[in-house]
Parts: sequence; C-alpha cells; structure tokens
Amino acid sequence: GQQVMQIPQYQHVQEGEDFTTYCNSSTTLSNIQWYKQRPGGHPVFLIQLVKSGEVKKQKRLTFQFGEAKKNSSLHITATQTTDVGTYFCAGFSGTYKYIFGTGTRLKVLA
Amino acid sequence: DAGITQSPRYKITETGRQVTLMCHQTWSHSYMFWYRQDLGHGLRLIYYSAAADITDKGEVPDGYVVSRSKTENFPLTLESATRSQTSVYFCASSELGGTPQHFGDGTRLSIL
Repeated sequence: GQQVMQIPQYQHVQEGEDFTTYCNSSTTLSNIQWYKQRPGGHPVFLIQLVKSGEVKKQKRLTFQFGEAKKNSSLHITATQTTDVGTYFCAGFSGTYKYIFGTGTRLKVLA
Repeated sequence: DAGITQSPRYKITETGRQVTLMCHQTWSHSYMFWYRQDLGHGLRLIYYSAAADITDKGEVPDGYVVSRSKTENFPLTLESATRSQTSVYFCASSELGGTPQHFGDGTRLSIL
C-alpha cells in the first residue's frame, strides 16, 4: 500500500539556524498537505501543494512539491522558538483519504 | 462558535469495556476522519466517512466501529477495549475529499 516517509524524525537547532524536513511517497500524489502540531496540541493545516514543481512561501516557511509529485520539503529560515513542534506531511492519492508521514519533531534551542 | 469538538478529552477504562468517543462538527463538512496518534507512528487513519451513512476503513480499523447517521456527528466505538488501543485519538473534518482537514483537540484514552 501507499507509504509516506518523513525525515529526519527529530531535529534540534539553535535559534536562528535553518531547518528542513523531507517527505517521500511510494506512489505519485495528487496533492500534499503540511501540518504543524504544537506539543500537547492538535495538527493545524499549514498549506497544500498541487502542481508539479510548485513552490509556496509563508513568511519564513518555504514549501516545495517535487517534479514527479512523489516528494516534498518544508524549509524554515532562521528558526524561532515559536517554530517548536512536530511537522507532518500528508499525501493524497485520490482515494479520499490522506496518508500521513511519521512527522519531524523540531526543537529550537534559545 | 463553529468548529469541531471531541468528547471526552480524557478517558481511563479497563480492558474488555466498550468505549465511545464522540466527534461533532458545525461546518457541515462532508468528510470526517478518525486518527490515532502513537509515538513513532504519526497519525494513522482508523475510519473515514464521505457523507452521512457512508463510511470506509482506513489503515488500522480492527477493533473499532463507526457510524454516521447525521452529517455533524461521527462517533468512534471500541467494542472491547484492549491495552494496545491506548492512544490519543483525533477526529478531523474536511469540506471535500482532498481539501484541508480541521482537527479536534483530541481524546487521550488509557486502557488499563
């Protein structure tokens, strides 16, 4: 069945450093979504990518969707303590359900 | 206020008991989902529903039962709880298939 792998599992960075998490699907995706979950909270939708090679930015966050629509990345420039949490990708292949990656837990050291 | 609410927030029960987790949304979203979240596994889909009276299995449906008689409610029942079902359960809804999902605050379930 479809699998979505996400790396790294954990990342500790000093405040001000950059951070990147990668998401890889075993199958071609129709679209991919990214979510952020703060400690003790629930996942919150960040963005959706649909087109091959698409790049979207939200302030310090840059999201990319691969040309083959099988991988994606989230890059945070100059991390802040407010960026702490777990970032999940969720791949959609058209079967009305998403497959979530295992998440990358980001810790930012002040 | 519009939103998605789960109840209870916390639940402790014993093996073999039946447990029902409730989920209610006020957006009239077509799709609703139940996930469980365990360390090292991320979010795994248990069941989902495309509309009232339409449900389908996700990745890990064994031991769970769902129903959706009304668009706004999507209860999840553990018919005979086992320790392996100790987890955090999230309900989510989306307007259509493939659109952003909105999650509830979760139910932390412990089975002793």
